[in-house]
Amino acid sequence: GESVGLHLPTLSVQEGDNSIINCAYSNSASDYFIWYKQESGKGPQFIIDIRSNMDKRQGQRVTVLLNKTVKHLSLQIAATQPGDSAVYFCAELSMNSGYSTLTFGKGTMLLVSP
Amino acid sequence: DTAVSQTPKYLVTQMGNDKSIKCEQNLGHDTMYWYKQDSKKFLKIMFSYNNKELIINETVPNRFSPKSPDKAHLNLHINSLELGDSAVYFCASSHRPRQGGVQETQYFGPGTRLLVL
Repeated sequence: GESVGLHLPTLSVQEGDNSIINCAYSNSASDYFIWYKQESGKGPQFIIDIRSNMDKRQGQRVTVLLNKTVKHLSLQIAATQPGDSAVYFCAELSMNSGYSTLTFGKGTMLLVSP
Repeated sequence: DTAVSQTPKYLVTQMGNDKSIKCEQNLGHDTMYWYKQDSKKFLKIMFSYNNKELIINETVPNRFSPKSPDKAHLNLHINSLELGDSAVYFCASSHRPRQGGVQETQYFGPGTRLLVL
């Protein structure tokens, strides 16, 4: 079946750098995408979402870019901090008989060094 | 003021036992989910309930039986536990997607770490 996946399993950066986490999806009918952050020992936490009628959406220090032509999603974190160290998942929300199903990508671990 | 809570946080048990995991949400959502996260961190949907009614039932062994006494609770009972059931189980909740297909974000609990020996 169709799935959502990530390019890089681990990304190591220095504190203060900008981080970019990438995600490829294969379901061209998907119209809603979410980035989640999962810290060690915790559940996934919502970061930011984007709908397919948008190319870019900004939050606090985070930006999500959507390129529907190549079915690519990215999460940019500005001025990365040690507290940003976590596993990041992109997820695709699809509708099924009026209900939503969340399909997760494989996850990228972000390691931030002080 | 925990939004989505799960108990227990850790569960260690012997193969063949029966165990239950409980989930409660105080967000006023009408849809709840169970996900399984394996050792490689891969998250996969298992079940979804809306207003106590089973909506999604992925390919999960029938040893797993969800139960929703009300729309704020979704429990997961597992019979005859197997080694391969060891994983982290996450409960999540959301509003049902609204008319017109407007999506609703899912909020996750802290997880239950199940280890079957």
